[in-house]
Amino acid sequence: DAMVIQNPRYQVTQFGKPVTLSCSQTLNHNVMYWYQQKSSQAPKLLFHYYDKDFNNEADTPDNFQSRRPNTSFCFLDIRSPGLGDAAMYLCATSREMTSGRKDTQYFGPGTRLTVL
Amino acid sequence: AQSVAQPEDQVNVAEGNPLTVKCTYSVSGNPYLFWYVQYPNRGLQFLLKYITGDNLVKGSYGFEAEFNKSQTSFHLKKPSALVSDSALYFCAVRPSLNNNAGNMLTFGGGTRLMVKP
Repeated sequence: DAMVIQNPRYQVTQFGKPVTLSCSQTLNHNVMYWYQQKSSQAPKLLFHYYDKDFNNEADTPDNFQSRRPNTSFCFLDIRSPGLGDAAMYLCATSREMTSGRKDTQYFGPGTRLTVL
Repeated sequence: AQSVAQPEDQVNVAEGNPLTVKCTYSVSGNPYLFWYVQYPNRGLQFLLKYITGDNLVKGSYGFEAEFNKSQTSFHLKKPSALVSDSALYFCAVRPSLNNNAGNMLTFGGGTRLMVKP
């Protein structure tokens, strides 16, 4: 029944070693989001894809990149992880229509990233 | 700019007692309001939302929330708390205005609910 799937659930990487987190969805939603969440704080939006259009938040570091090869998959690439990038990374999806109809964001279980 | 405030970092309640987790918001136009729950090392789980219509919204696991436009509040409630309700709760808001750029949610800081046996 999983609708938003994130792999792996736990990821350990070394300082400066590139890492990729993945997200897939079975909901056929056209919008996908990546959030960073630290220490039970509110999730912070990094960027999102509206269909194939990439939208970066103004304060997202260049170290964070994303790819969306198709509707179902979205990847978060951290090019050179620092200790401060250790966090829970949450993927979410929603369905948006140009008519203005809004829909709920559904979250995956998250990937907890540890940087050694 | 929109914002959400959850004034309590933590709420403690005894099992079987009613619980309330507070949320106030600020947004241009009519709000869409959401509550999510997060268990340890898990993602956010959708509980309920207010879009339009009845001010009292019922959601999952016996939770409900009341939209109060004059007080710009959307407090989460449950008549009888369970120990298993202990988790982190986030309130979120987005404007109802058409935004083809996406579905930008603004989250509150979260409230930790502790239900004691």
